[in-house]
Amino acid sequence: DGGITQSPKYLFRKEGQNVTLSCEQNLNHDAMYWYRQDPGQGLRLIYYSQIVNDFQKGDIAEGYSVSREKKESFPLTVTSAQKNPTAFYLCASSITGTSGPDTQYFGPGTRLTVL
Amino acid sequence: GQNIDQPTEMTATEGAIVQINCTYQTSGFNGLFWYQQHAGEAPTFLSYNVLDGLEEKGRFSSFLSRSKGYSYLLLKELQMKDSASYLCAVRDSNYQLIWGAGTKLIIKP
Repeated sequence: DGGITQSPKYLFRKEGQNVTLSCEQNLNHDAMYWYRQDPGQGLRLIYYSQIVNDFQKGDIAEGYSVSREKKESFPLTVTSAQKNPTAFYLCASSITGTSGPDTQYFGPGTRLTVL
Repeated sequence: GQNIDQPTEMTATEGAIVQINCTYQTSGFNGLFWYQQHAGEAPTFLSYNVLDGLEEKGRFSSFLSRSKGYSYLLLKELQMKDSASYLCAVRDSNYQLIWGAGTKLIIKP
């Protein structure tokens, strides 16, 4: 079955610790995205990547880092510099990221709680 | 700035029809999307409009007027499982999606 997986579903960390969220897709999509969702707000783009070994900052990149060493994988690290990391994190992918309808499809999400 | 407006919450009755509105002001326009999101889950794609008019998909339809910066999602024959949040998103001139905060739809029996 083709799809996007994120792990873990729930994650708890102590303040000051870095944590890495996993995102894998087997849809053969070129583009991948990380969003953050907070109650009462729209999804906000953290980082996106349109091709392997290249990625761009979104609207709220401060305190986060990513890598794109493989087409299938786009892990997100939440660093201790992120002031308010507790949120629901969503990974998405799309065929190109640059043309056509290019619908984004989402993984199941990771709920991160920093204690 | 860029802005997407949707009502925060709506209530409807099982079997009825409901219309969820979305107005937008963005830097450019390259399509409008509607997603459904059940509580605690990921958004799932419902519809895409890039030209003016109505797109119909079963019980769901989506309408777009680019000149008015306006779209609506129409849900017919409401079922209890339609209780969810409905997210409107517009693709801007940089090909990025700008998201509304979502409309929480409550279905009552």
